[in-house]
Amino acid sequence: DTAVSQTPKYLVTQMGNDKSIKCEQNLGHDTMYWYKQDSKKFLKIMFSYNNKELIINETVPNRFSPKSPDKAHLNLHINSLELGDSAVYFCASSQVAGKNIQYFGAGTRLSVL
Amino acid sequence: GESVGLHLPTLSVQEGDNSIINCAYSNSASDYFIWYKQESGKGPQFIIDIRSNMDKRQGQRVTVLLNKTVKHLSLQIAATQPGDSAVYFCAENKGDSWGKLQFGAGTQVVVTP
Repeated sequence: DTAVSQTPKYLVTQMGNDKSIKCEQNLGHDTMYWYKQDSKKFLKIMFSYNNKELIINETVPNRFSPKSPDKAHLNLHINSLELGDSAVYFCASSQVAGKNIQYFGAGTRLSVL
Repeated sequence: GESVGLHLPTLSVQEGDNSIINCAYSNSASDYFIWYKQESGKGPQFIIDIRSNMDKRQGQRVTVLLNKTVKHLSLQIAATQPGDSAVYFCAENKGDSWGKLQFGAGTQVVVTP
């Protein structure tokens, strides 16, 4: 009964490959987010969707493309992976967009070799 | 005490003592603040939040204090337990209506017996 679940938990891949990370929330929330956490533990928002519409799009290479098929799912597709993409990626959700508690998933550790 | 470079600031606390974790925020327009706890290998877990119309908010064993004059936020943990060992993040919403959170660098709390 995990509230925000991400798959896979670990992802090891070669440079140049394309990969996807999936996220699902069963909290009935309207808003979902993707964050990147680097090796220094710094957390930075990448994207946010509210009711399947993109509302936050930070300065992220266009190799990263989020997709929200419905408001319970937000996937992240990454093309042409680079070494610098290695990080932990977290999905989060909140009841509505705005000043609300964001609930995080367990993370996907991406290692690009 | 604090350290610089690649290491997170670390707070060592004896079990049973009170912990105080400090956070300076950057934007006087920020009107929503939130604290998260991140244990090793897990996603950030919500602890407590506070809006700028309040100076203090209490939860179970935790208190958040907000000093808007000096743009300072603190998290107090009463009777610190071994399970409190984690990295603690403060985050601010800079008056953005979409819920974009800016996270601080994090503080590593180590509870010693």
